[in-house]
Amino acid sequence: EDQVTQSPEALRLQEGESSSLNCSYTVSGLRGLFWYRQDPGKGPEFLFTLYSAGEEKEKERLKATLTKKESFLHITAPKPEDSATYLCAVRAYGQNFVFGPGTRLSVLP
Amino acid sequence: DAGVTQSPTHLIKTRGQQVTLRCSPKSGHDTVSWYQQALGQGPQFIFQYYEEEERQRGNFPDRFSGHQFPNYSSELNVNALLLGDSALYLCASSLSGENEQYFGPGTRLTVT
Repeated sequence: EDQVTQSPEALRLQEGESSSLNCSYTVSGLRGLFWYRQDPGKGPEFLFTLYSAGEEKEKERLKATLTKKESFLHITAPKPEDSATYLCAVRAYGQNFVFGPGTRLSVLP
Repeated sequence: DAGVTQSPTHLIKTRGQQVTLRCSPKSGHDTVSWYQQALGQGPQFIFQYYEEEERQRGNFPDRFSGHQFPNYSSELNVNALLLGDSALYLCASSLSGENEQYFGPGTRLTVT
């Protein structure tokens, strides 16, 4: 059974304090690993898709990386507007998306 | 270009009642998936529709059913509502064969 875990459950950072979020996964035949950002009471917003180990993608202050067992979302010099829940999901061939529980990020000014 | 839209935004129902939620996919998309998201948890896959047929289904009872129309819009129906059905219901659309899916704002269902 495909599984996704995320850590930490919650993270508080000071503005400008860089850190990383972890997504560990178990899947047979990875078709893709996805990162989403979700603001309270809203739908998830697509950020990145990673397909194979060693791949990296960047968008503004965010950088996602992928290994065979986990993915990291690195946040460089975060700002208060980066506060949100970050969701990781995997998709195996022939299967649909399996989401992790998310990491709640708070960036304090 | 309109993104994924959902209606209604909020809904309050009584236990035992039935509810219908609606979704219009992003322009150009032909596949619609539905998810249930309980408070503090990640979305759980309910089912996916493509070409007006249910293509995949998650671990949800038959009380959850759906439909896709020729214009690709979709409905989620839940019968015999339970208190545990209270959640944010999310619709996501994609283009068949593509990996990326885009979510709507969700419908917040409260069952009392």
